[in-house]
Amino acid sequence: QVQLVQSGAEVKKPGASVKVSCKASGYTFTSYDINWVRQATGQGLEWMGWMNPNSGNTGYAQKFQGRVTMTRNTSISTAYMELSSLTSEDTAMYYCATSESHSGWFDPWGQGTLVTVSS
Amino acid sequence: QAVLTQPSSLSASPGASASLTCTLRSGINVGTYRIYWYQQKPGSPPQFLLRYRSDSDKQQGSGVPSRFSGFKDASANAGILLISGLQSEDEADYYCMIWHSSAWVFGGGTKLTVL
Repeated sequence: QVQLVQSGAEVKKPGASVKVSCKASGYTFTSYDINWVRQATGQGLEWMGWMNPNSGNTGYAQKFQGRVTMTRNTSISTAYMELSSLTSEDTAMYYCATSESHSGWFDPWGQGTLVTVSS
Repeated sequence: QAVLTQPSSLSASPGASASLTCTLRSGINVGTYRIYWYQQKPGSPPQFLLRYRSDSDKQQGSGVPSRFSGFKDASANAGILLISGLQSEDEADYYCMIWHSSAWVFGGGTKLTVL
């Protein structure tokens, strides 16, 4: 079945970077966009950006421009989201989700990766 | 003012209907947007429910019951998720989303309590 499996929880210090992976299976990895969405505990959803795994093209939310990088390794059907200059406000669950190009139908979603930023 | 505004909470009784609203900021016309709706239960990622722009441009998520439906209230500049025949399993957070200014934007979410 179509599935996204994300890397495990991370604890980082302020100012550090984190790189979360999202491994796809059950479909052709390069046929669908990968979106990244985060959610602080008890808070709402926040879209971070998208990547086309075929071309490598990306689009980032203005809030994260300059601080987020989305990449992929097509040989292992894995997408990555790297966020730099972390602060405590980046403590959140990070999700990846597939979609057709430019569609808001995000399905399926990964299980989420908890990133905790603490000194 | 946020792009999308949702009431923070809503309560309804089992078997009743619940209308969850997603109001677009003044100056953003609901008529031109596809509105996407997601359901999220505690400890789980969101799940796509449906998208709605008009009766001729709508799509239901895979396996989503027909008692979940989408509408628009042009007079209120809002998208609406209607859940009929409420069940206890419908208790969850619900989010709307649109594509605006080259970004996907979520509403703040509505916590639906079925009691």
